[in-house]
Order: sequence, then C-alpha cells, then structure tokens
Amino acid sequence: KQEVTQIPAALSVPEGENLVLNCSFTDSAIYNLQWFRQDPGKGLTSLLLIQSSQREQTSGRLNASLDKSSGRSTLYIAASQPGDSATYLCAVRGASGNTGKLIFGQGTTLQVKP
Amino acid sequence: DVKVTQSSRYLVKRTGEKVFLECVQDMDHENMFWYRQDPGLGLRLIYFSYDVKMKEKGDIPEGYSVSREKKERFSLILESASTNQTSMYLCASSPTSGRAKANEQFFGPGTRLTVL
Repeated sequence: KQEVTQIPAALSVPEGENLVLNCSFTDSAIYNLQWFRQDPGKGLTSLLLIQSSQREQTSGRLNASLDKSSGRSTLYIAASQPGDSATYLCAVRGASGNTGKLIFGQGTTLQVKP
Repeated sequence: DVKVTQSSRYLVKRTGEKVFLECVQDMDHENMFWYRQDPGLGLRLIYFSYDVKMKEKGDIPEGYSVSREKKERFSLILESASTNQTSMYLCASSPTSGRAKANEQFFGPGTRLTVL
C-alpha cells in the first residue's frame, strides 16, 4: 500500500531564504506526483505536476524534482516571501488504473517571517 | 483556468439530517473526486467518478453516497448526518490519461460542514 510522508511537518524561515520541502513515497511505481499549496481554511492550489518520466518541473520561484527509484521528491522555493506561508502537500498517483486517484502526504506547514 | 466550485463554503446541519454537497467543474473533466480533510488524518478519498453515472468507493465511503447525473456535476450525499462527519469537504476534478498534464487534479474551495 502506497504511503506518502512529508518531513518536516512544520518549518519557519526568515524572508529571503531558499528552502527545500521533502516528500517520500514507499512504492516507486507511480504515474505522477503533484505538489499543492493550501492556505488556512481554503482548498488546494496545484503548483507543479511531475510525470513519472520527468526529473523536474519549474514554475517561477518553485522547482520540484522527482527521483522515482529512491521514492523521493523535493520542492525548492527560492527567495522565500511572507506570501509563501501556507501548507504544502505532495500527492502521488499510482501507475495502475486510469482514474487519477491520489495518495496525499500530511503536509509541511511553512511560515516565512518578514 | 480550470474552475471547480462548491455550493457552500460553510454549512451547519443537525444530526440525522440529509445533507447534499454539490460540486461543479467547467473544464469537461472526466474524473471527479470527493475528499474529506481532518487534522492529523490528512486528505482521505471518499468517492470518485470517472464518467457520468459511474462511481467508485474511495478509502472511507461509509455513511456517504454520491451522484453524477451530468459530467460537470458531482454530488456528495450524507444520508443521515452524524457528528463524526463534521469536517472540511473538498471536491476535485481531473482530465483522463492521454491529455496534456493528464490527471492533474484541480480542487474547489472546500465546504466546512459542522454537524450538531
């Protein structure tokens, strides 16, 4: 059974720092991996999607990498800003089936201090 | 931009009431999902649908049912609401495989349901 773990559960950094959020999964047979952002009391916003054949995806100050063989993904945030404060979730989709069911990690809550 | 909307942001119901949560997406996605999110438990899949009138149980379907009569609309039904169904409910949709960014899931804003 696929399990997704995110470490650390919470992170606090000063504004301007570069930071890395970690995501690990137990079954390397994945179809894709998706990173989301969630603000308190709100829904999830999709940040980046990495297909299993890809090594990384970039969007603005965000870069997500995927090492399928080791069951790891990282989300790199460059030059962090207070507006980046949120909970970041990663989710993987298994390779079998065609319905897009995702397995989520518990999330990392990030606080960027001005 | 993909838009997923949910009928209510906040809802308060009484134990035993029948509750309907509605979700609508405007991107012609085949797949739709209902999750609940609870502190310490994360997001858990309740039901999903990969086509009109099709549905499959997720990880925690007990106490819930769903309806998908039209492609754009996916309804979650609590037949007899109980206090342990107090939670944040999130709807999502995604295109099926074969399209660009296949299976990228897009979420609605969530419905905070309180059952008294």
